[in-house]
Amino acid sequence: AQSVTQPDIHITVSEGASLELRCNYSYGATPYLFWYVQSPGQGLQLLLKYFSGDTLVQGIKGFEAEFKRSQSSFNLRKPSVHWSDAAEYFCAVKREYGNKLVFGAGTILRVKS
Amino acid sequence: NAGVTQTPKFQVLKTGQSMTLQCAQDMNHNSMYWYRQDPGMGLRLIYYSASEGTTDKGEVPNGYNVSRLNKREFSLRLESAAPSQTSVYFCASSEGPRINYEQYFGPGTRLTVT
Repeated sequence: AQSVTQPDIHITVSEGASLELRCNYSYGATPYLFWYVQSPGQGLQLLLKYFSGDTLVQGIKGFEAEFKRSQSSFNLRKPSVHWSDAAEYFCAVKREYGNKLVFGAGTILRVKS
Repeated sequence: NAGVTQTPKFQVLKTGQSMTLQCAQDMNHNSMYWYRQDPGMGLRLIYYSASEGTTDKGEVPNGYNVSRLNKREFSLRLESAAPSQTSVYFCASSEGPRINYEQYFGPGTRLTVT
């Protein structure tokens, strides 16, 4: 069965510093991968997705992610973090059959000024 | 477009009470989902509806029922609430099988069962 691991429960970065959030998945074929962001008290918003093609995908709010098949990873990056990026981030993979998604446990990002 | 809407936003129930969480989407999506979110556990799928007229169990269906009322609306019912059902509930929708897999989420319902 597919699974998603986000190894970091909490991450704290300084405003203006770079950010990388880790995501590892288990999947046999080429996966459909997603990153979502959840601001406090809000629903989830899609940041970016990978289906095929270029392994570096650009998303909203200045985020990007790189698909690395050899490492089964889909890490999220941002060159310079803003205070408004403080939120919880979820990585997800589509199940092999059907259109359901499997979510990781999430990483809470704190931004210090 | 409102996207995905959920009512109510907050609810407090006593053990044994029942309630229905409502969800509607105005994006003409075929598939709809109900998740619960608990700290450290991410989102777990309760039930989903791949298309109008169909519903299927997800990972954690016990204690819940659903109704796909029409293409727009998908409700979640707790027949006899238990403290273990204290959670944040999210409804989501997607275009449908083999069309597009990204899901769009509502703002959530925060449920407390005492």
